Amino acid sequence: GAGVSQTPSNKVTEKGKYVELRCDPISGHTALYWYRQSLGQGPEFLIYFQGTGAADDSGLPNDRFFAVRPEGSVSTLKIQRTERGDSAVYLCASSASGFGGETQYFGPGTRLLVL
Amino acid sequence: RKEVEQDPGPFNVPEGATVAFNCTYSNSASQSFFWYRQDCRKEPKLLMSVYSSGNEDGRFTAQLNRASQYISLLIRDSKLSDSATYLCVNTNAGKSTFGDGTTLTVKP
Repeated sequence: GAGVSQTPSNKVTEKGKYVELRCDPISGHTALYWYRQSLGQGPEFLIYFQGTGAADDSGLPNDRFFAVRPEGSVSTLKIQRTERGDSAVYLCASSASGFGGETQYFGPGTRLLVL
Repeated sequence: RKEVEQDPGPFNVPEGATVAFNCTYSNSASQSFFWYRQDCRKEPKLLMSVYSSGNEDGRFTAQLNRASQYISLLIRDSKLSDSATYLCVNTNAGKSTFGDGTTLTVKP
């Protein structure tokens, strides 16, 4: 079946602009995760959804970052007033239930470049 | 100090070698542990889960030591295709913390 998909695959924007990044999880997966990965570093946790609700948003760096999952499937990560330091690969993952030691399946990521 | 620490390497080994990676974690409440593999410019993919009793999958053996808060990965008979970055991960209540990875290059 289809894996996790993310759009766009690349996004170039100017400092101060607003961007939206989309994630389509594996069908039927309840849990959805957003991470940010900079060069030479591991993925950094941003937020985790159980169904429609954010179960843990402790990784969002500041109030410019916001994520939604209104119908418990597709999720959108929104970044306002982008800064050059926001440039990174944004990874989305999903898992069946989010409980216990489950495999997370990652999408290919969105490469964001803020000029 | 990072919550999950790994030696970044790089580890450069010949084909057929045995190589071991260690990872330490600081959150004693961590519940689940994993090794993920990440190829250059690709997404991470699960390599194996890690249990206190140890687990083996072909040439790969993973071990968890809760008392010392470290996780290990042993790769036997290295193949060229094992060249990648190996990420140590622990999870607590749905939140996963990744290390920065250890880079392995297997040479002919």
